[in-house]
Amino acid sequence: NAGVMQNPRHLVRRRGQEARLRCSPMKGHSHVYWYRQLPEEGLKFMVYLQKENIIDESGMPKERFSAEFPKEGPSILRIQQVVRGDSAAYFCASSPAVANYGYTFGSGTRLTVV
Amino acid sequence: QQQVKQSPQSLIVQKGGISIINCAYENTAFDYFPWYQQFPGKGPALLIAIRPDVSEKKEGRFTISFNKSAKQFSLHIMDSQPGDSATYFCAASLFLGTDKLIFGTGTRLQVFP
Repeated sequence: NAGVMQNPRHLVRRRGQEARLRCSPMKGHSHVYWYRQLPEEGLKFMVYLQKENIIDESGMPKERFSAEFPKEGPSILRIQQVVRGDSAAYFCASSPAVANYGYTFGSGTRLTVV
Repeated sequence: QQQVKQSPQSLIVQKGGISIINCAYENTAFDYFPWYQQFPGKGPALLIAIRPDVSEKKEGRFTISFNKSAKQFSLHIMDSQPGDSATYFCAASLFLGTDKLIFGTGTRLQVFP
């Protein structure tokens, strides 16, 4: 397993389109976290998911954003009707279903809204 | 309560010098304090981490100093090298591995030869 895999690496969308970002956690990891990083800023927590459950979505914008982590397949962060302010790097991290183990980050998806 | 404050925002150090980055937190329930290194275009990579039951942890040239009473922790990079030039983030979480990380705002370190 090469680690946390995110795709696509770069995504360009026109205003009003939908963006779908995918994250495949490390093998054996069942917890997924999504973060957003605006240019020259830190990482802001968005959502924490376990298989088929949203555990903490306190950082998710109330509208247009949704996330899922189905029983099979990658976690998906979905942004509907994108606006220029959504342009950012979106990072996914994963951890195993055991306490006291750390987090592994993917290389991110860079979303550009034109 | 959930914030982690990081300083300085940027740091310039000469090769061989010591780089020091500081973080402060409010929530005394935080149980895990990692430092991440990020190069341009890459994801954050774990550098070193500490739990609140120890005051210092050293790994090679990297040391975390932790002051529980002051609610502060810092990263020291000894013998700084140009290859250390990157952005460094401190973070904290309530439960290691089963809770979100709260990140500081980052410090851009530049090490000049």
